[in-house]
Amino acid sequence: GEDVEQSLFLSVREGDSSVINCTYTDSSSTYLYWYKQEPGAGLQLLTYIFSNMDMKQDQRLTVLLNKKDKHLSLRIADTQTGDSAIYFCAESSPDYKLSFGAGTTVTVRA
Amino acid sequence: NAGVTQTPKFQVLKTGQSMTLQCAQDMNHNSMYWYRQDPGMGLRLIYYSASEGTTDKGEVPNGYNVSRLNKREFSLRLESAAPSQTSVYFCASSEGIRAGRRETQYFGPGTRLLVL
Repeated sequence: GEDVEQSLFLSVREGDSSVINCTYTDSSSTYLYWYKQEPGAGLQLLTYIFSNMDMKQDQRLTVLLNKKDKHLSLRIADTQTGDSAIYFCAESSPDYKLSFGAGTTVTVRA
Repeated sequence: NAGVTQTPKFQVLKTGQSMTLQCAQDMNHNSMYWYRQDPGMGLRLIYYSASEGTTDKGEVPNGYNVSRLNKREFSLRLESAAPSQTSVYFCASSEGIRAGRRETQYFGPGTRLLVL
């Protein structure tokens, strides 16, 4: 979606942290989401954050939200080869449908 | 509990041919969606059905029609396929579009369509 922007590629060494960034435009978004797509598969919800939160942690995943700058990030600690996938940022639009970014392809190298 | 299923998995069409993509969900969800995924463009909403008996256009509805056959099934039809419709099509469902509530969408595995 044109309202949600992400960088297209990220290469990270196994064991390092990955940080995927996203910017969005709709300040009225209620929820922001991160989805993961593995090769040949559909999208799987990884995590989400409510717009009145700054941070959410879920095991190896940390989501940071800067509402002033409309910036969302996903940090994956101790990145593993199974984390290689496309990661999509999405915002809930005013009518509560989702607008997706173009996706960030994360490649984990040994 | 299969979640969201889609048929077929792959399809090759010639320009001008028609076909219907099928989607079914067994989670008793009210809302269903059709997206297309193109390289570098993320997912774009084609049509959605907020509840049984209703359908609405999304971001890119031209060249498509949909039918919400019942609560479980939501089909997408291409009446006269064009090469620009070569894409991966995803169906999704959610509990329901409700103001202020988090709506997790659950996705099917996708249909890969090539129009020659």
